[in-house]
Amino acid sequence: QSVLTQPPSVSGAPGQRVTISCTGSSSNIGARHDVHWYQHLPGTAPKLLIYANTNRPSGVPDRFSGSKSGTSASLAITGLQAEDEADYYCQSYDSSLFAYVFGTGTKVTVL
Amino acid sequence: QITLKESGPTLVKPTQTLTLTCTFSGFSLSTTGVSVGWIRQPPGKALEWLALIYWDDDKRYSPSLKTRLTITKDTSKNQVVLTMTNMDPVDTATYYCAHRVETPDPFDIWGQGTMVTVSS
Repeated sequence: QSVLTQPPSVSGAPGQRVTISCTGSSSNIGARHDVHWYQHLPGTAPKLLIYANTNRPSGVPDRFSGSKSGTSASLAITGLQAEDEADYYCQSYDSSLFAYVFGTGTKVTVL
Repeated sequence: QITLKESGPTLVKPTQTLTLTCTFSGFSLSTTGVSVGWIRQPPGKALEWLALIYWDDDKRYSPSLKTRLTITKDTSKNQVVLTMTNMDPVDTATYYCAHRVETPDPFDIWGQGTMVTVSS
């Protein structure tokens, strides 16, 4: 029962650009709560990819970028590489639920 | 270097209480602004936030699980413990603990996770 909605899957050929949307509401993303993005490979620890909407932690390639507008946020991956094949989750805070909330998750497939 | 590691039983029976321990290094949970959270992921499903404990011992719980969860910390041992009562097969999941700071507030470092199966 995630309150942040993501497409189940996106795919692209190596070198292409893909985007993942994260749609929320006025009580989370629209309430100006920051959006964070995580990359998750099965069997491993989730990795912080983007924090506070647009910022990359040290060591994250600049192929990854984040944006936020209104009640939605997006993660873009440019120059898609085979190693980018993973699950991606957005995360924010919901003022109505008083809870940290994750998105439904998106599987990125490199064709 | 911050590291976290989850430990606990791999199998619990329905109605039992689950106790998970997060042992961390590289930071102190007595430092202002620091917190540790628990997040889980059922097989094939999305991540779900469970609980958070702050440096000042303030605590937050998922509203849907609040009555079943308790989070505590032992600063001297660098450990955070999560207990979940009345376990059910739907609670079968990989449970993660993660480090967080207040501003900004992502879960920036995660443990590898521990898989818990609920079955009789």
